[in-house]
Amino acid sequence: DGGITQSPKYLFRKEGQNVTLSCEQNLNHDAMYWYRQDPGQGLRLIYYSQIVNDFQKGDIAEGYSVSREKKESFPLTVTSAQKNPTAFYLCASSTQTSYHEQYFGPGTRLTVT
Amino acid sequence: SQQGEEDPQALSIQEGENATMNCSYKTSINNLQWYRQNSGRGLVHLILIRSNEREKHSGRLRVTLDTSKKSSSLLITASRAADTASYFCAPSYSGAGSYQLTFGKGTKLSVIP
Repeated sequence: DGGITQSPKYLFRKEGQNVTLSCEQNLNHDAMYWYRQDPGQGLRLIYYSQIVNDFQKGDIAEGYSVSREKKESFPLTVTSAQKNPTAFYLCASSTQTSYHEQYFGPGTRLTVT
Repeated sequence: SQQGEEDPQALSIQEGENATMNCSYKTSINNLQWYRQNSGRGLVHLILIRSNEREKHSGRLRVTLDTSKKSSSLLITASRAADTASYFCAPSYSGAGSYQLTFGKGTKLSVIP
């Protein structure tokens, strides 16, 4: 059963704590992406990785960090430096050549109080 | 920003009617894709249209592209309640950062049974 999974679906944290969101795919895709979505808004790119051990900042990388040690996994850490972390976070993956056809996970809704 | 802009922001129709959503963008594109997002879920890729194509069909979906006007439209025929979702266009550009997709705020479609 191929796909992309994110866990957990809902996450609650206190302000000042770092939190790591999980993203795993078994589609054998080289490229992976993290997006943030705020209510009534489109998606904004946080980080992306085109290959293992390499990643690039997107439009809103400040306050976030990622790693890409394995092809299947692209965890996102929301640090205490992120000023407004409450949002819906979406992970996606694609082949390197068909980056426009991205497969999305179900998302993690993070609430920081 | 190189994101597409969807219009209208919200659309409410009766089941069985057709739904038309529009997308405008600012610079020359390689291709343009449409995605659907059900409430609280990840995005699903619907259809891609290349810059040298004018029209494309997939089931009840019809996409048109007018590169002279820098616009695209998505038509859903004979709508169903299950089509209720937000629809996003994502233009793809050449050049630096061309592997990134940028999403607008979407059109929120409500199909009333």
